[in-house]
Amino acid sequence: AQTVTQSQPEMSVQEAETVTLSCTYDTSESNYYLFWYKQPPSRQMILVIRQEAYKQQNATENRFSVNFQKAAKSFSLKISDSQLGDTAMYFCAFMKPYSGGGADGLTFGKGTHLIIQP
Amino acid sequence: DAGVTQSPTHLIKTRGQQVTLRCSPKSGHDTVSWYQQALGQGPQFIFQYYEEEERQRGNFPDRFSGHQFPNYSSELNVNALLLGDSALYLCASSLARSYIYETQYFGPGTRLLVL
Repeated sequence: AQTVTQSQPEMSVQEAETVTLSCTYDTSESNYYLFWYKQPPSRQMILVIRQEAYKQQNATENRFSVNFQKAAKSFSLKISDSQLGDTAMYFCAFMKPYSGGGADGLTFGKGTHLIIQP
Repeated sequence: DAGVTQSPTHLIKTRGQQVTLRCSPKSGHDTVSWYQQALGQGPQFIFQYYEEEERQRGNFPDRFSGHQFPNYSSELNVNALLLGDSALYLCASSLARSYIYETQYFGPGTRLLVL
């Protein structure tokens, strides 16, 4: 079974600063997907970024980028120029390929509560 | 383009009762997954439905059951409710294409309180 660990329960930074959220995972699979989801107080889970394990290049989406270290089983999220609207719970998630095709059940970490201070 | 929708938004039940939660997937999606999110925790995978059958199941008892309809919408049923079933129940939809693993998109959730 896969496990996902987020070791930072809460982080707080000033607006416009850069912040990095940590995530490590454990798996024996060689092919898998990793995700960062954001859950604001409205509780809607929103996809931030995803990374395919077979891709060496780190994924980037505007102000969000990841540092994917496959050998170290590490998948951190960097948020540049942080904004007040980035305040939310951030969850790291792992997805194992399903042999029959399609999306597998996600394994989530416990989350990091990110607070952006004005 | 409609996203994932869930109903009801909130629900209050008493121990021993049964509850049914509903989910309509994002337009074009054919797979529905259900998750339970206890307060302060990350979501936990309950099960996944594809082609009207349960394809994969997490570590949840048989009190949790589901169904998928021909229009791909889905229901989650929980029997003999326990206080510990109080949680946010999230539905996620995706598109199953062989060897192409689509991202799961989440609905707003149903908050269930068991008294």
